[in-house]
Amino acid sequence: RKEVEQDPGPFNVPEGATVAFNCTYSNSASQSFFWYRQDCRKEPKLLMSVYSSGNEDGRFTAQLNRASQYISLLIRDSKLSDSATYLCVVMDTGRRALTFGSGTRLQVQP
Amino acid sequence: DAGVTQSPTHLIKTRGQQVTLRCSPKSGHDTVSWYQQALGQGPQFIFQYYEEEERQRGNFPDRFSGHQFPNYSSELNVNALLLGDSALYLCASSLGLALAFFGPGTRLTVL
Repeated sequence: RKEVEQDPGPFNVPEGATVAFNCTYSNSASQSFFWYRQDCRKEPKLLMSVYSSGNEDGRFTAQLNRASQYISLLIRDSKLSDSATYLCVVMDTGRRALTFGSGTRLQVQP
Repeated sequence: DAGVTQSPTHLIKTRGQQVTLRCSPKSGHDTVSWYQQALGQGPQFIFQYYEEEERQRGNFPDRFSGHQFPNYSSELNVNALLLGDSALYLCASSLGLALAFFGPGTRLTVL
């Protein structure tokens, strides 16, 4: 079983749609959680950190459920520029290394 | 302020050869981590360097080795290249436990 598992993609949605990505992690020692965005043939870039209380950044909302070891990302009012691969990432602070999911590809269509 | 830089951007090698990839961390960062990203997969942690020592290592064979220099820059060496080593190699730098920033990567093709 992979340490971080994500929804299989790709997700093809029209502009303006709301789309949700889910992720589960297996290591209960994980202490920090993130969503990264990766454009084609580019490096991953931090989209947002994820907190148990939930956090929002404009059209993006991230949620963490530690009991279920589940992380989510909601994108509202999708834009063409949101098309990318979204990577769910966890970090065990003791190891100081990031563990990535395989990513979910989002394609927003006009 | 330059971010994380990596060289070269692309590299083609043949099986059995050795390769060295280089990374300069973001200014002020003291920790460098290396990741391998195969096509269609998320990045996989190779190892991490801090204070010129390997501090953490992922599930990679000894063919993968590294070094960190006093100026915090780092090298990743891969010996006896296999076709399966073809991937995007990403360097990430951070200051201690702070968030990591990734470089643009080196795309290695092994023929």
